[in-house]
Amino acid sequence: QQPVQSPQAVILREGEDAVINCSSSKALYSVHWYRQKHGEAPVFLMILLKGGEQKGHEKISASFNEKKQQSSLYLTASQLSYSGTYFCGTEPNRDDKIIFGKGTRLHILP
Amino acid sequence: KAGVTQTPRYLIKTRGQQVTLSCSPISGHRSVSWYQQTPGQGLQFLFEYFSETQRNKGNFPGRFSGRQFSNSRSEMNVSTLELGDSALYLCASSLASRGHGYTFGSGTRLTVV
Repeated sequence: QQPVQSPQAVILREGEDAVINCSSSKALYSVHWYRQKHGEAPVFLMILLKGGEQKGHEKISASFNEKKQQSSLYLTASQLSYSGTYFCGTEPNRDDKIIFGKGTRLHILP
Repeated sequence: KAGVTQTPRYLIKTRGQQVTLSCSPISGHRSVSWYQQTPGQGLQFLFEYFSETQRNKGNFPGRFSGRQFSNSRSEMNVSTLELGDSALYLCASSLASRGHGYTFGSGTRLTVV
């Protein structure tokens, strides 16, 4: 049931783009994205809902392919502050528990 | 507005003891979820409470329990602690309405020796 994230880790230079993928074996009601910096709590970035609604955060965008049960997070023109571990969380049905993937570590170099 | 508050921040316990962790959600948030975070396993879902009722439960042994009070504050209890229970325990609150994500607390770091 745990969604699979890829890649596990990525290193970029400031200004480069990154894509993080999240794949589930089950049909999904929603996909959440969070970023966690070392020693801090995860911070909500975005939620994507079945039916196409999307609520975002800052300059980061995401897509949700309901048929393929996949979501991708796009970080464009990455900034140093984007470094951290990104988690996707999947919710199979409304009010269901949210299960998180193992995370993608993103490191941005100056 | 105030964020999610978890107490205590750090705990050191001995094997076999029990521990109670506390979580105060954001005002107006009626859903509280608990997660265990370890380096190897990531964020593992423990349980979710909504309006004082356990709405969802993860795959943890019965030693892990929780409850929610009428003011939405939540506690989780771990009895008969084992070394493997050492982890960061995160609480997250939510409006529990369509389209809203979680706000996480800073967590309680539990070390079992």
